[in-house]
Amino acid sequence: GAGVSQSPSNKVTEKGKDVELRCDPISGHTALYWYRQSLGQGLEFLIYFQGNSAPDKSGLPSDRFSAERTGGSVSTLTIQRTQQEDSAVYLCASSLAEGVEAFFGQGTRLTVV
Amino acid sequence: GENVEQHPSTLSVQEGDSAVIKCTYSDSASNYFPWYKQELGKRPQLIIDIRSNVGEKKDQRIAVTLNKTAKHFSLHITETQPEDSAVYFCAASTINNNDMRFGAGTRLTVKP
Repeated sequence: GAGVSQSPSNKVTEKGKDVELRCDPISGHTALYWYRQSLGQGLEFLIYFQGNSAPDKSGLPSDRFSAERTGGSVSTLTIQRTQQEDSAVYLCASSLAEGVEAFFGQGTRLTVV
Repeated sequence: GENVEQHPSTLSVQEGDSAVIKCTYSDSASNYFPWYKQELGKRPQLIIDIRSNVGEKKDQRIAVTLNKTAKHFSLHITETQPEDSAVYFCAASTINNNDMRFGAGTRLTVKP
């Protein structure tokens, strides 16, 4: 079956512009995570959605970052007024509520110029 | 929230030798500990995981051990091969609260 799908795969944007990154989780997966990975670095937790519960936003680095998950499926991560330090690969992962193996998408490479 | 620390950040071994990566976690409620392998330019993929009701799990050349009292767990790779070269991440979460946090990663290089 289809895995976690992210779009776009690459995004180049000008500093100050807003961007939207999309994640399509595996069908039936109620848990969805966003992580940020800077070049050669680890997986920085951003936000976590679980079913209809309020999301855990504790990892969002600033109020320029927001995310939503509509209908418990597709999620969008929005970065407003992008800065050069936002350049990174943004990874989305999903997992079943009861089983916890998380499957990652291929990521969106964001470059802010 | 959960805090996961991972050591070493880089590890270089000779082909055929063993490699050990260690992680500690802070939340005693954590009960699920996966390990992910990320090859260059690719997405992280699960290689092995362990739940808190067991102390050790093995899958061919890889094994994971868990010490709940000390709140640490380790990945062991035996008979390393060049294709084991990658970045390895540990993580911790609780089954009822899937907020999964990762360690900073270990870059493993296996020299032929």
